Amino acid sequence: GAGVSQSPSNKVTEKGKDVELRCDPISGHTALYWYRQSLGQGLEFLIYFQGNSAPDKSGLPSDRFSAERTGGSVSTLTIQRTQQEDSAVYLCASRSATGGNYGYTFGSGTRLTVV
Amino acid sequence: AQSVTQLDSHVSVSEGTPVLLRCNYSSSYSPSLFWYVQHPNKGLQLLLKYTSAATLVKGINGFEAEFKKSETSFHLTKPSAHMSDAAEYFCVVSDPGGGNKLTFGTGTQLKVEL
Repeated sequence: GAGVSQSPSNKVTEKGKDVELRCDPISGHTALYWYRQSLGQGLEFLIYFQGNSAPDKSGLPSDRFSAERTGGSVSTLTIQRTQQEDSAVYLCASRSATGGNYGYTFGSGTRLTVV
Repeated sequence: AQSVTQLDSHVSVSEGTPVLLRCNYSSSYSPSLFWYVQHPNKGLQLLLKYTSAATLVKGINGFEAEFKKSETSFHLTKPSAHMSDAAEYFCVVSDPGGGNKLTFGTGTQLKVEL
């Protein structure tokens, strides 16, 4: 597609439930990033995928968070046993291998509300 | 380790007056620096980027930023604010040694008044 697509755009879930957030990067972009933007905060790095390399998970806040990227394309961020502090906008970005520090494209995000 | 500090959480200007959004960075590497803008309920949009070429970087919508190594600053400016500039602005540094992860500042909310 022309841009990075994220779904759903909004998700309301009950505390304790699991949620899955999806990111469809730009075709051909080998690098994919997940960030979280909490109310009144900047963006917090969560996880990074580059090609077939092992992902950099150093930003995941707890073991309730996990992500996978299938076939080097679509990525799913899963949050288990959601807590109210997980409420945030989750943003996905992709970048081409030749893009270097250029060409990060962000999706519009998924707004997660845990009630 | 790398970090950015946005010195003002809120800036308010009158339409037609200059805009200055301040950013200081810290990086162990020769940094790549960016400014992103986020309008309400919209995605992040790249305004401009510095990647060790010219120190004065021109971006979209009349914005520009100057990289000053001696001051470790990358302030964003615009000569004349427009109502449509009201948004949140993020200063961002990239870590070339860590997968080009972006580290975001906490953002500056720009308000433009008539």
